[in-house]
Amino acid sequence: DAKTTQPPSMDCAEGRAANLPCNHSTISGNEYVYWYRQIHSQGPQYIIHGLKNNETNEMASLIITEDRKSSTLILPHATLRDTAVYYCIVRVDGNNRLAFGKGNQVVVIP
Amino acid sequence: ETGVTQSPTHLIKTRGQQVTLRCSSQSGHNTVSWYQQALGQGPQFIFQYYREEENGRGNFPPRFSGLQFPNYSSELNVNALELDDSALYLCASSLQQGPGELFFGEGSRLTVL
Repeated sequence: DAKTTQPPSMDCAEGRAANLPCNHSTISGNEYVYWYRQIHSQGPQYIIHGLKNNETNEMASLIITEDRKSSTLILPHATLRDTAVYYCIVRVDGNNRLAFGKGNQVVVIP
Repeated sequence: ETGVTQSPTHLIKTRGQQVTLRCSSQSGHNTVSWYQQALGQGPQFIFQYYREEENGRGNFPPRFSGLQFPNYSSELNVNALELDDSALYLCASSLQQGPGELFFGEGSRLTVL
């Protein structure tokens, strides 16, 4: 599976949009970009995934660059409950093996 | 709430002992995978079961084994426990092996003394 690179931590202001970057320069054509988050002492929670096109759901938006080498997760209006470790993962279709890495510790500040 | 339940939530064992962790998948999910999460690290893939057969394994020794039952519930067994086995063990289920959401349980925290 391709590897991803995320900043180890970032702060964002409550009520503002939070933009979480991820690099996956070695991604191959059949690998999806997934985002999960893990709130302290809980299991990981699925946020969103995409292959080529931008995606949006009730939690977030996923913007994937045209060359697919990077992506950005956007939390449109960050709340204190969004404080968590966010994992960007590339996943091969048909494979449930997720390579989590260390993730990005996001702290939402009042 | 993901519908994936794990038991026990916490347990303490000593080196050399054996442990069994249990997972009840979300209804209708035929694929279950197990992950180990050491403190301060991301989860690491242990193995996956699809229709009661192991069909994928991470870099874990044979003393880590599992079962999936006809009702799609699952067990993770670890023999000859070592101190480094202390971790949060997560179970995840999915409807199929294709792209889509994995639903994680809250985990079982194992401490090995």
